[in-house]
Amino acid sequence: DSGVTQTPKHLITATGQRVTLRCSPRSGDLSVYWYQQSLDQGLQFLIQYYNGEERAKGNILERFSAQQFPDLHSELNLSSLELGDSALYFCASAWGANTGELFFGEGSRLTVL
Amino acid sequence: AQTVTQSQPEMSVQEAETVTLSCTYDTSESDYYLFWYKQPPSRQMILVIRQEAYKQQNATENRFSVNFQKAAKSFSLKISDSQLGDAAMYFCAFIIQGAQKLVFGQGTRLTINP
Repeated sequence: DSGVTQTPKHLITATGQRVTLRCSPRSGDLSVYWYQQSLDQGLQFLIQYYNGEERAKGNILERFSAQQFPDLHSELNLSSLELGDSALYFCASAWGANTGELFFGEGSRLTVL
Repeated sequence: AQTVTQSQPEMSVQEAETVTLSCTYDTSESDYYLFWYKQPPSRQMILVIRQEAYKQQNATENRFSVNFQKAAKSFSLKISDSQLGDAAMYFCAFIIQGAQKLVFGQGTRLTINP
C-alpha cells in the first residue's frame, strides 16, 4: 500500500460527459502528480501541483483541469469526454517538488462509451 | 526533449533464471535520477530501484540490480533468481535534477515461465 488513495477505481461514462477523479496523497507529501496511461502505453505526464499551486504542465488537454485543495487532496476534472479519453489515470505523490521518487495510487480506470 | 526508450516490448524468462531489461534515455543534462517501476496486474506502480546519475556504483536492491552506463545513456535492470511474482510491466523512467516531470518509457512486459 503506497498510501496514495484514488477514487473511483472504475468509472464508465458516455461521450460528452464530465467526470471528476479524486486523489489523496500520502500523509506529509506536498506534491501531487497526474499521469494518463492509455492501453499498452507508457505513462504520460499531465500536471503537477505542489502545496496547492500548479508547478508543471504536460500534455494535458484544455478539456481537462485539475486543482489541489488546502488539505492537499487533488481532483482531476475531465469534460466533454471522447472515446480516446478512455485510460487509466494515475495520481502520484511526493514530499518535495522535484524529488522524482513518486508513490503511485492504484489508478482510476475510465471507460468512455 | 528528454526521452526514454525500452526496446523490448516483451520478455520471458524461466523461473529462477536471470533476465535483463534494457533502457536507454536521451538528455543533455548531467544531473538526473533514473528509476525502474514495476506494474503488476493489480495496476499499482511500484518503485523497484533508483539510481542517481552522479553515483558511479550501480544500485542494488536484493535480487534487482542495474547496469548504469552514463556515457552510453543506458540503464538496464537485471533480475536474478526470477520469481513468479516478478511478472509485470516494467517501466524505466528518469527525471532531471530540479525538474518536475518524471519521463517514462513505453514499458517491457515480463513473463515468468514456471
